[in-house]
Amino acid sequence: SAVISQKPSRDICQRGTSLTIQCQVDSQVTMMFWYRQQPGQSLTLIATANQGSEATYESGFVIDKFPISRPNLTFSTLTVSNLSPEDSSIYLCSVEMGQETQYFGPGTRLLVL
Amino acid sequence: DAKTTQPPSMDCAEGRAANLPCNHSTISGNEYVYWYRQIHSQGPQYIIHGLKNNETNEMASLIITEDRKSSTLILPHATLRDTAVYYCIVSYSWGKLQFGAGTQVVVTP
Repeated sequence: SAVISQKPSRDICQRGTSLTIQCQVDSQVTMMFWYRQQPGQSLTLIATANQGSEATYESGFVIDKFPISRPNLTFSTLTVSNLSPEDSSIYLCSVEMGQETQYFGPGTRLLVL
Repeated sequence: DAKTTQPPSMDCAEGRAANLPCNHSTISGNEYVYWYRQIHSQGPQYIIHGLKNNETNEMASLIITEDRKSSTLILPHATLRDTAVYYCIVSYSWGKLQFGAGTQVVVTP
């Protein structure tokens, strides 16, 4: 298994600003993923972040709104840009640890006013 | 990826087995069945996965029908800590999980 931490755990932001979320893993992993969970909803995959290459975004998500960095095999950031109240969600990172399983971080709870 | 259908909610008595059904009638030959759960205010937790054969681990058992069009997750002795939303996911690519609405399981004393 893996120990995954996210910072911040929660934040309240003003519309028009940006929030950068950090995801740290305690071991090296090839693939990291970012998900969004809107209030009362299930999880939606935003993008896949591979070290050394551009992130791959799912339909409906664009790099300008959700830029992702993956500087090494244990760390990734997701920025949510130009915030609006509709961006209020829980943002989760996950990692693949072999054996075809994903492990999820605790999530970052974002409220946009 | 194939779509899954799960009941929106289930109640289960503590200490009894919980049987969670999932329909995936459009599953293709190379797609796996994955189960995750999400306890309130936490990230999802992997439970088990399988392709054709039944699987068992320390958390649960997964029973997949012979035609692979449905499956059942079995929690053998439900505890209050098993109260969570349980997601059945079918995917050929374990790296890209498409979460549905899941089943809200409430374990009662």
